[in-house]
Amino acid sequence: AQSVTQPDIHITVSEGASLELRCNYSYGATPYLFWYVQSPGQGLQLLLKYFSGDTLVQGIKGFEAEFKRSQSSFNLRKPSVHWSDAAEYFCAVGAQLTGGGNKLTFGTGTQLKVEL
Amino acid sequence: DTEVTQTPKHLVMGMTNKKSLKCEQHMGHRAMYWYKQKAKKPPELMFVYSYEKLSINESVPSRFSPECPNSSLLNLHLHALQPEDSALYLCASSQDWEPGTQYFGPGTRLLVL
Repeated sequence: AQSVTQPDIHITVSEGASLELRCNYSYGATPYLFWYVQSPGQGLQLLLKYFSGDTLVQGIKGFEAEFKRSQSSFNLRKPSVHWSDAAEYFCAVGAQLTGGGNKLTFGTGTQLKVEL
Repeated sequence: DTEVTQTPKHLVMGMTNKKSLKCEQHMGHRAMYWYKQKAKKPPELMFVYSYEKLSINESVPSRFSPECPNSSLLNLHLHALQPEDSALYLCASSQDWEPGTQYFGPGTRLLVL
């Protein structure tokens, strides 16, 4: 069964500092990996995704993530954090369902706080 | 356009009420999803529809009744809910094949009194 671990429940960074959010996955085949962001009371917005190919993927809002198969990791990075990046970040792994559609397995999330 | 819309934004209902949540997408996606999210937790999958047929019911109580009238619409009918059902209800849609990136709506914040 697939699973996702986000080891950091809370992270605080200063505005302008770099950011790395950790994500480790467990999946038997080639994983489809996603990072979503959720502001308070809002839906989830897709930041980026990895399906295959280049292991460094670029997303929206200046985020990037690197897929490392040997470490089963898909860490999210941003070189310079803005106050508006404060939110909850979810890493997820996706797999197709036999009956149609696909299933996302989410990590428990990392709450990012940005200090001005 | 990657927009999924949900109505209403907020809903307050008593335990004897019947209400419905609505979700709509016009991206041509053939898979649609309902999730429940409690505070500080990841979304929990409730139902999956594929080509307007129920594909997955994650052992959701019968007081939640999904309906997919057409490929663009997804409803969630609520009846005799409990206070513990208070949560953010999220709708999502995707293409029906892998990897099937899911796009989420803004959610309906439900409070059951």
